[in-house]
Amino acid sequence: QSVLTQPPSASGTPGQRVTISCSGSSSNIGSHAVNWYQQLPGTAPRLLIYSNNQRPSEVPDRFSGSKSGTSASLAISGLQSEDETDYYCAAWDGSLNGQVFGGGTKLTVL
Amino acid sequence: EVQLVESGGGLVQPGGSLRLSCAASGFIFSSYEMNWVRQAPGKGLEWVSYISSSGNAIYYADSVKGRFTISRDNAKNSLYLQMNSLRAADTAVYFCVRERVAVSGAPLDYWGQGTLVTVSS
Repeated sequence: QSVLTQPPSASGTPGQRVTISCSGSSSNIGSHAVNWYQQLPGTAPRLLIYSNNQRPSEVPDRFSGSKSGTSASLAISGLQSEDETDYYCAAWDGSLNGQVFGGGTKLTVL
Repeated sequence: EVQLVESGGGLVQPGGSLRLSCAASGFIFSSYEMNWVRQAPGKGLEWVSYISSSGNAIYYADSVKGRFTISRDNAKNSLYLQMNSLRAADTAVYFCVRERVAVSGAPLDYWGQGTLVTVSS
């Protein structure tokens, strides 16, 4: 059971906009920034969004993040077939003194 | 180019020990906080441990506290994870991960390729 809650799956058609939610509590998302990671099959995760809504320079602007209260969201616009993979949210948890992850969301491009 | 290369994984019996190493290059290792994150086969990501740039601050996940020890040698640009009293539930790919500096939220910006630890009799 993950500390952060994500839907196990999400889907969309090419060109569509999809969102993936991440729910936490006051000790993690409520008081610390949220980061998102993308993991392609058989590879290490890569940082996709940091500090709630910041993109590393190499990440396309089709990816965006937001946070409100104890929840966060990852949005992917102009969905492409290459976006079909796993996505994880994460945040520092002040009560646990460690990073906590969501269980991951498998995105399918129909 | 930032590189993190893990080594030391393998097959170990329950109750056994293993020491993972991570060789860092392409950045000033002594300036960065580091983490170990693991992923059991077919499962999600689980944070394991954190160590500050100087080694003075260390944190562990409850699942490994008292059994695992994180350490670093800044002179050798290396991160370590000593794993004792290993259990089947510790079977996972272990990633060495750098934490981005001066940014809120402790984002993990560079990941190694991972090393597989299998605990089985």
